Amino acid sequence: QKEVEQNSGPLSVPEGAIASLNCTYSDRGSQSFFWYRQYSGKSPELIMSIYSNGDKEDGRFTAQLNKASQYVSLLIRDSQPSDSATYLCAVNRDSSYKLIFGSGTRLLVRP
Amino acid sequence: DARVTQTPRDKVTEMGQEVTMRCQPILGHNTVFWYRQTMMQGLELLAYFRNRAPLDDSGMPKDRFSAEMPDATLATLKIQPSEPRDSAVYFCASGPGQTTDTQYFGPGTRLTVL
Repeated sequence: QKEVEQNSGPLSVPEGAIASLNCTYSDRGSQSFFWYRQYSGKSPELIMSIYSNGDKEDGRFTAQLNKASQYVSLLIRDSQPSDSATYLCAVNRDSSYKLIFGSGTRLLVRP
Repeated sequence: DARVTQTPRDKVTEMGQEVTMRCQPILGHNTVFWYRQTMMQGLELLAYFRNRAPLDDSGMPKDRFSAEMPDATLATLKIQPSEPRDSAVYFCASGPGQTTDTQYFGPGTRLTVL
């Protein structure tokens, strides 16, 4: 079992729809959770960070964390073609500096 | 606009050659990370430093890879000798210093070993 699991996709949604990206992790000691977006040929860039159970909203993005279920998700409202990218979930291990990345979910937003 | 810089952006070399990749972290950041990304393995942490001291290099093949921080503004990753399986994109990232902090990635070095 991988430490951080994501569905590789592609997840295809029409423009304007809600895209839901999911991630599960195995280390119960993890304290910090991140969503990065990576366009093809580019470096990962931070979308959201979340540290407490519940929802955190930033513009069209909402991160959801459930530590009991070891589950973190990212919702993208009003999806745009420019949101088409690979979304990487990252979790820190043992409250250390070490981030473990999932393999990423490729999102395609159809015009 | 503070950002992590990496050189070279692309490197093509032949098997057996030494490769050196350089990274300049964001000014004021005291944690530096080296990652490798391939289609098969995804994004893997190779090594990281805090205040220039190596904290963990367990992700690195020890016999051929080495990572150093000669000063606070420069981190290096060397591969000697290089092998075709080292072909990947190597990212450097830096962070302000807390375990909960975001890591900011550089543009990467695309390495091709023939």
